[in-house]
Amino acid sequence: TQLLEQSPQFLSIQEGENLTVYCNSSSVFSSLQWYRQEPGEGPVLLVTVVTGGEVKKLKRLTFQFGDARKDSSLHITAAQPGDTGLYLCAASSNSGYALNFGKGTSLLVTP
Amino acid sequence: DAGVIQSPRHEVTEMGQEVTLRCKPISGHNSLFWYRQTMMRGLELLIYFNNNVPIDDSGMPEDRFSAKMPNASFSTLKIQPSEPRDSAVYFCASRLQGGVTEAFFGQGTRLTVV
Repeated sequence: TQLLEQSPQFLSIQEGENLTVYCNSSSVFSSLQWYRQEPGEGPVLLVTVVTGGEVKKLKRLTFQFGDARKDSSLHITAAQPGDTGLYLCAASSNSGYALNFGKGTSLLVTP
Repeated sequence: DAGVIQSPRHEVTEMGQEVTLRCKPISGHNSLFWYRQTMMRGLELLIYFNNNVPIDDSGMPEDRFSAKMPNASFSTLKIQPSEPRDSAVYFCASRLQGGVTEAFFGQGTRLTVV
């Protein structure tokens, strides 16, 4: 099992602030995914990154995959209350079957 | 497609009782996952199936837990006997097998064992 460490565990900010959350491992990933989970719902995919050094943007969200493919970050610009949720990173095992998740970063954006 | 469908949404049971959670994956998906989510341990992978075959059940916490997938459109997770520490939200997810495909989750079953 690839251990995915996410930080910070909790983050509370005000609307309009910027933030970055991290996902790290000692293992090399063939690909990595970010999901967001809202209360009472299952996680929903935000993005998949597959190439070392890759940067993907999704509106105010910027995802980066480390050059060595061992870490990733999610940066949110000008956070809004609608960004509140649990952000999870996930990676597949080398076999490609299992999908393991980090414990997540719980984000609260207050107006 | 209605997405991944789990039932029941909520289950309250007494310690020692048998609990069965159900999942209908998205049609055409050949990988199915069962997860347990708690505040302390996060989203833990319990077991996953590929083409209805269990591939790895090393995440199943104890022999009290068992999972089956009799066909491509149905899976169950059974806990017998249930214990208070099994209280958690249990999620089922499905996807097309492969490292870069999206996993689609059900809404989960919130299990409370009293």
